[in-house]
Amino acid sequence: DAGVIQSPRHEVTEMGQEVTLRCKPISGHDYLFWYRQTMMRGLELLIYFNNNVPIDDSGMPEDRFSAKMPNASFSTLKIQPSEPRDSAVYFCASSLATTGVDGYTFGSGTRLTVV
Amino acid sequence: GQNIDQPTEMTATEGAIVQINCTYQTSGFNGLFWYQQHAGEAPTFLSYNVLDGLEEKGRFSSFLSRSKGYSYLLLKELQMKDSASYLCAVREPTLGGTDSWGKLQFGAGTQVVVTP
Repeated sequence: DAGVIQSPRHEVTEMGQEVTLRCKPISGHDYLFWYRQTMMRGLELLIYFNNNVPIDDSGMPEDRFSAKMPNASFSTLKIQPSEPRDSAVYFCASSLATTGVDGYTFGSGTRLTVV
Repeated sequence: GQNIDQPTEMTATEGAIVQINCTYQTSGFNGLFWYQQHAGEAPTFLSYNVLDGLEEKGRFSSFLSRSKGYSYLLLKELQMKDSASYLCAVREPTLGGTDSWGKLQFGAGTQVVVTP
């Protein structure tokens, strides 16, 4: 299995531009999470989906942020317009809910820099 | 709401043992996880506890006391490659009961530095 795949790995954009981050979860996983990591705030949960349905978006900082999961194999996180304070590493993770032990598998992350 | 506390940094010598403590206060509990994160990389899963007691996995062990809201990760026979950030995370059922499996909330992480 290729694991959780995120693209792009790095993104540098100017303030005010739209940014779209992409994630392909592990095949068969029914949960997908978007996290943001900064030195100041650590790893923060932004939103998560179960069977493609958004369950909790209380961590989404503002209306500038939106996330979609049109099917079981693809999700996007969009920031429009972007601001310098959005600079962070954005991780996508997926998980399979079973009665056993399940770790959440993270993608390699997208390092976003807004200048 | 949730509050997950762990020390910011710990230093230990190669071959030694280090114990990283984590205390938590969360609105619900559905398991506690430990992750390892090397600089510039994604977190990787280390261990999971949902019942009280000790779980051992090679050089790493994790302990949980639900009544005390307390966990620790024990790293034995430290190696230089163990230098990393160790993240404690609690899974909370989503409020409103829409999802019993829940979401994973992370502590700030403990940076472990292993010296020769």
